[in-house]
Amino acid sequence: DTEVTQTPKHLVMGMTNKKSLKCEQHMGHRAMYWYKQKAKKPPELMFVYSYEKLSINESVPSRFSPECPNSSLLNLHLHALQPEDSALYLCASSQDGLSAGGGKNIQYFGAGTRLSVL
Amino acid sequence: AQKVTQAQTEISVVEKEDVTLDCVYETRDTTYYLFWYKQPPSGELVFLIRRNSFDEQNEISGRYSWNFQKSTSSFNFTITASQVVDSAVYFCALRLIQGAQKLVFGQGTRLTINP
Repeated sequence: DTEVTQTPKHLVMGMTNKKSLKCEQHMGHRAMYWYKQKAKKPPELMFVYSYEKLSINESVPSRFSPECPNSSLLNLHLHALQPEDSALYLCASSQDGLSAGGGKNIQYFGAGTRLSVL
Repeated sequence: AQKVTQAQTEISVVEKEDVTLDCVYETRDTTYYLFWYKQPPSGELVFLIRRNSFDEQNEISGRYSWNFQKSTSSFNFTITASQVVDSAVYFCALRLIQGAQKLVFGQGTRLTINP
């Protein structure tokens, strides 16, 4: 089973709202990722958590705040977003982000949260 | 820096035709992985294949086949006897074996299979 579950599927929020995106996997993966994907573009990496510690932050604005409460969960807290932040937000996980052996670094993606900021 | 180029932005074929999606990559590292992902309209990226730089064997999985050639830095993907369900955006990606867990994606190829 290679399932990564993201909720909600769709989200509409105003620029003053605070909301959170949630990602869950039960594959025992120890690396989890947030990507942002604009229309007709490839996914862009935002954050990587490895063993529940933030290992990569791709210079993402502070209005995006990631959180990894445990090895199965990854949240993305949103506050004071701008209309240009409207996009598909994808979560992914891999068995072990640091190790290259076997299939450990294959990233499995969720279906995403389609976010609209008004 | 690494770079992946998918020169074909959009391809449209009639069902049952064979179609090849091109992927060319650039890296100075000698050890790396190459990936193909499929993104149907639902949005989820579906993992199709991973190939490491040590292994230039071509691979076939049902109607899908991949041709990896280090000499031309290419990792092309062929769908034989295409079906409407193959319609999606396909991404080629590269990741170094050593270093950060970053996937470098190409711009994607939108494939439309017409009945």
